[in-house]
Amino acid sequence: DGGITQSPKYLFRKEGQNVTLSCEQNLNHDAMYWYRQDPGQGLRLIYYSQIVNDFQKGDIAEGYSVSREKKESFPLTVTSAQKNPTAFYLCASSPRTSGSSTDTQYFGPGTRLTVL
Amino acid sequence: EDQVTQSPEALRLQEGESSSLNCSYTVSGLRGLFWYRQDPGKGPEFLFTLYSAGEEKEKERLKATLTKKESFLHITAPKPEDSATYLCAVMVWDAGKSTFGDGTTLTVKP
Repeated sequence: DGGITQSPKYLFRKEGQNVTLSCEQNLNHDAMYWYRQDPGQGLRLIYYSQIVNDFQKGDIAEGYSVSREKKESFPLTVTSAQKNPTAFYLCASSPRTSGSSTDTQYFGPGTRLTVL
Repeated sequence: EDQVTQSPEALRLQEGESSSLNCSYTVSGLRGLFWYRQDPGKGPEFLFTLYSAGEEKEKERLKATLTKKESFLHITAPKPEDSATYLCAVMVWDAGKSTFGDGTTLTVKP
């Protein structure tokens, strides 16, 4: 089955720890995205990548880091510098960012991160 | 700065009571507008993409329309299983990313 997987589904972190959230896609999509969602709010963009070995900061990149070494993988690290990391994290991918019919983003099931 | 505003924040309907959700946007140059459905604790599920004013798309009880300033998601004769949060997002030219609204939470009572 083609799709986007995120792991783990639930993650607990102690203050001061870095944690890495996994995102893998087998859709052969070029672009990948990370969003944060807080209760009752929409999605805020953390980082995005349009091609391998390249990525850009989104609206709330502080305290987060990413890598894009492989087309199918886009892991997100939540560092200890992120002061309020408890949230629902969503990964998405899209075929590519040029062309009228290929902008649609497809989402994974999400990871819920809780800081203890 | 690109802005997307969804209204109302919450909408309660009786089963069979048709209504509309609104997504108004202020962007420099719209490339596409997207509607998603999100169930609690899950990732958003893609519904529609609209690219130009006057465009309409339908799927079962849902119909999305687009003007130069806003989009509507019309729900005809909703059922309880239509209860979810509906998200709107816009993408502008040369941005490579989308801006999301805060969503409308729809509850359909049997």
